[in-house]
Parts: sequence; structure tokens; C-alpha cells
Amino acid sequence: DQQVKQNSPSLSVQEGRISILNCDYTNSMFDYFLWYKKYPAEGPTFLISISSIKDKNEDGRFTVFLNKSAKHLSLHIVPSQPGDSAVYFCAASVSGGGADGLTFGKGTHLIIQP
Amino acid sequence: GAGVSQSPSNKVTEKGKDVELRCDPISGHTALYWYRQSLGQGLEFLIYFQGNSAPDKSGLPSDRFSAERTGGSVSTLTIQRTQQEDSAVYLCVSAQGGGPSYNEQFFGPGTRLTVL
Repeated sequence: DQQVKQNSPSLSVQEGRISILNCDYTNSMFDYFLWYKKYPAEGPTFLISISSIKDKNEDGRFTVFLNKSAKHLSLHIVPSQPGDSAVYFCAASVSGGGADGLTFGKGTHLIIQP
Repeated sequence: GAGVSQSPSNKVTEKGKDVELRCDPISGHTALYWYRQSLGQGLEFLIYFQGNSAPDKSGLPSDRFSAERTGGSVSTLTIQRTQQEDSAVYLCVSAQGGGPSYNEQFFGPGTRLTVL
């Protein structure tokens, strides 16, 4: 049973437009959420995170929104750039992680078209 | 460099053989995790080391999997009697601590294991 779901395996967005990546979770105990970005042949790199006490966190072109009642979070990238083309993983943890590790979604492949 | 390194980068083995995967974390990082990503799947937590504490092995898929971390630094993940379903990319993660500091987590490049 997947506790973190990214239902879109891929997403194509035109350069300069907004990219919106979605993530749903089922475990109500999750209280910390992260997005990772992964290029081919490299390990994922941390992008942005949000604690369950917030509903929005912004870092430059990246904003993560959390809707706890809907158990849904999204990553907005605006404006989208060619270098944003990568696989994006949503991840969640309980109480900041540690021994529980992170539970990841399957990823969404974002393709930015020129 | 100062990043996490893993070796080998690629490993092809025959079913039934044992394999050993190595992770060199960032110096000074006390937390180390192993994850794996099978084809079409998300990243799956395997095992977690924090300092000198006993590891959390709750994510290991079977008793064929074991891991150790010597001297609080280098870690090896061993898979005995490999099966085809073990084929995946195995990722090592190095972190300053196990608390809410995931922005300080660093992933290695991974080892791609193929079991024929």
C-alpha cells in the first residue's frame, strides 16, 4: 500500500510557464514533507521542505503548498526553466524522520519544453 | 570531492551470488541511510545508522540483506544469494543528524545492481 502517491509519471510544461507537481499521502501521522530533484545517473538532491505546522513554504522559484485536510501537497515552479527538467520525488516522514526514514513517491518526470 | 561516494557504480551478478555494496559518507556525518529504487517504484527505505547506536533494520526486505557501518563511517550493504527481484539502484544517504535536518541530507550516486 503506497503511502505517498505521485499520480502523474510525467509532466510537460513550456519554458516560462508554471510547473505544478502534485503529491498525495495517506498516513495522517506524516508531519514533514520534502521534495527532491533527480537528474539521470545522479542521486536525488534536496529541493524544499515543509512542516505540517505550515501551509506554504517558498524558496526562490519554488513554492510548496500543503493541504493537511486533503492530505495533499504540491510543488510550484515558476517560471519553469530548461534546467528544471528532471524527476521530482515527493517524500514524507513522521516527526522529522530519523529512524523511520523517508517514504517516497514514485516520482514525476518533468519535461520543460523550449 | 566532499560528497557521498558509492562503489561499484554498476554491478551485474548471477542469481544466487553474494554482492557487497559500499558507501563512503561525508566525513563527520553521523546518520547514514540505505534506500533502493526498483524499476517503476519510489525510493524504498532499507536501513538507518545513527552514530554508534544499533541500526534500525526495519526496512530490510529479507534476511538475505544485511548492513554494517564500521567505525561510524564507511558502510557496506551485503545481499546474499541474490534474486532477480533484488535488481535496483541502491542509494546511500549521508546526513549530519537524524532529526529534522533533511535539507542536510546528501545522496550518493547509487549502485545499479542487475541480477541475471
